Amino acid sequence: QVHLVQSGGGVVQPGKSLRLSCAASGFTFDSYSMHWVRQAPGKGLEWVALIWHDGSIMYYADSVRGRFTISRDFSKNTLYLQMNSLRAEDTAIYYCARELRDSSGFYYFDHWGQGILVTVSS
Amino acid sequence: QSVLTQPPSVSGAPGQRVTISCTGSSANIGAGYDVHWYQQLPGTAPKLLIYSNNKRPSGVPERFSGSKSGTSASLAITGLQAEDEGDYYCQSYDSTLSASVFGGGTQLTVL
Repeated sequence: QVHLVQSGGGVVQPGKSLRLSCAASGFTFDSYSMHWVRQAPGKGLEWVALIWHDGSIMYYADSVRGRFTISRDFSKNTLYLQMNSLRAEDTAIYYCARELRDSSGFYYFDHWGQGILVTVSS
Repeated sequence: QSVLTQPPSVSGAPGQRVTISCTGSSANIGAGYDVHWYQQLPGTAPKLLIYSNNKRPSGVPERFSGSKSGTSASLAITGLQAEDEGDYYCQSYDSTLSASVFGGGTQLTVL
């Protein structure tokens, strides 16, 4: 059974850093690309970042590019999101998600972590 | 504002049928890209409900179905139950943005 267990959220001041973790189990971690998706309070879903199954390629939303870094540790079956220079508008619940590809080759998400709240406030 | 437009809210009585629309354009749904649907119950993570327009993952009841026509897609829920109350999101690829995007979400209320 697929499990994605997240940790690392909390309250942080603007301009500071935070690292989120997503521990994966129940599947072959290095066979799947992984994503981070966030949801601001009372708002909809926003895609944040993607890392390929082999860790070779990463993509970011314009809103976080240059400040956030997605990575993965195959020895620990864990996905990370390093968030630097945090802003108030980064306040959200962050979800990790496992990717599948549709018939056109574009991604969707078949399993999600439980979500973790990041609050950026002074 | 998302390129995929969903009604902010829909409602229905237990046992009824409701539909949630996801309206796009020739750059996304109308271009033939697949539409996927997620259910987010209160206080929980999103869950994949329908993928590739009309396919149900294992464990999703047959009460949930998806369809697509032209530049729009729809999620239908029959035999509405109280536990269906929550938010529903569509997702598809947009060629103008060169990105996969979510609709703004629809809040379903079971009366």
